[in-house]
Amino acid sequence: EAQVTQNPRYLITVTGKKLTVTCSQNMNHEYMSWYRQDPGLGLRQIYYSMNVEVTDKGDVPEGYKVSRKEKRNFPLILESPSPNQTSLYFCASSPLVAGNTGELFFGEGSRLTVL
Amino acid sequence: GQQLNQSPQSMFIQEGEDVSMNCTSSSIFNTWLWYKQDPGEGPVLLIALYKAGELTSNGRLTAQFGITRKDSFLNISASIPSDVGIYFCAGRPRGSQGNLIFGKGTKLSVKP
Repeated sequence: EAQVTQNPRYLITVTGKKLTVTCSQNMNHEYMSWYRQDPGLGLRQIYYSMNVEVTDKGDVPEGYKVSRKEKRNFPLILESPSPNQTSLYFCASSPLVAGNTGELFFGEGSRLTVL
Repeated sequence: GQQLNQSPQSMFIQEGEDVSMNCTSSSIFNTWLWYKQDPGEGPVLLIALYKAGELTSNGRLTAQFGITRKDSFLNISASIPSDVGIYFCAGRPRGSQGNLIFGKGTKLSVKP
């Protein structure tokens, strides 16, 4: 089954404790992206990747890192989480068609709480 | 950055009623997508539009790519309780290869 898989789905952590949210897709998509969703603010892009070893900042990259060493995986790293990073996080992927992104496929979300 | 204005922010309707929502931008877009997010889930694509004036249906849902290429509309006919959720529009600006821009969503509640 074609899917985007995120782990963990739920996490409660404390300020400053490094954590990684994994994202894996099995559709051979070139493009992957991370979003955070907060009430009243919709989906805001954190980082994206057009292909392996190519990553770029989205609209709200502060406090986050990503890597794209393999096509299928795009982990989101919070080196020193803070309470303002409490949010619902979504990973998404898309094929590239003639260099353009197509339709985004989303994971089920990871709800992160930083105390 | 560029923004999409999605309205309304929320709707409370009676089962059986029709629903309309829209998104507008200040610049020209060459792709419009409509997603639905069920509670506790990730957004799922409903309809994709690629040409100005295009009108596409998916069951009781109909979406249109505006002629000006700066707006899009989603209509839901004869709403049912499982239509509850958040509906997002997303678009790709002309000349942009990559990222989609998302509206802030329309939260739909349906009273049985």
